[in-house]
Amino acid sequence: AQKVTQAQTEISVVEKEDVTLDCVYETRDTTYYLFWYKQPPSGELVFLIRRNSFDEQNEISGRYSWNFQKSTSSFNFTITASQVVDSAVYFCALSEAQAGGSYIPTFGRGTSLIVHP
Amino acid sequence: SQTIHQWPATLVQPVGSPLSLECTVEGTSNPNLYWYRQAAGRGLQLLFYSVGIGQISSEVPQNLSASRPQDRQFILSSKKLLLSDSGFYLCAWPGTGDAGELFFGEGSRLTVL
Repeated sequence: AQKVTQAQTEISVVEKEDVTLDCVYETRDTTYYLFWYKQPPSGELVFLIRRNSFDEQNEISGRYSWNFQKSTSSFNFTITASQVVDSAVYFCALSEAQAGGSYIPTFGRGTSLIVHP
Repeated sequence: SQTIHQWPATLVQPVGSPLSLECTVEGTSNPNLYWYRQAAGRGLQLLFYSVGIGQISSEVPQNLSASRPQDRQFILSSKKLLLSDSGFYLCAWPGTGDAGELFFGEGSRLTVL
């Protein structure tokens, strides 16, 4: 069975601070995918990134970066120079192939990030 | 373009009343569709998913049911709501991806009183 743990329930930072959101996963599959989503106060989840289990290269997109480490089963998300607009709930998710070939993600409980001006 | 919509956005219902939440997808045909629930302070729980018309898989036994009457329509229902049914309901579809990334509708916030 797949499982995703986001141990940080809430993080509070001041604008311009760097912040890292932790994600630890469990899976018995060798082929799987990892994701991060952002849920702003409006409620709609926004897909941020997908990583497959064979690609451990870290990724950077503007102020966002992701660190995938299979050795520790972690897929951490760092926001550099945080801004108030980054305030949201962030979800990490994992998917592995189901019977029939479809992938259905399992989500962590989310980390609420509050960025103060 | 491909989009997903759900309604109503907000709903306040008394205990014991029925429920119907609707989700539709535009710009594609016969997509996989999903209903998730987000209870207060908790993560996303998969309720149902559908790979086609009339095909529904239930992940969690509960007071809710789902139907797929048309290939781009996915409906979440209940005959008699419970207080514990309160939450934020999200419909999702995989877009053009095939690895589990999902794209979500605007969400429907249900409060059962």
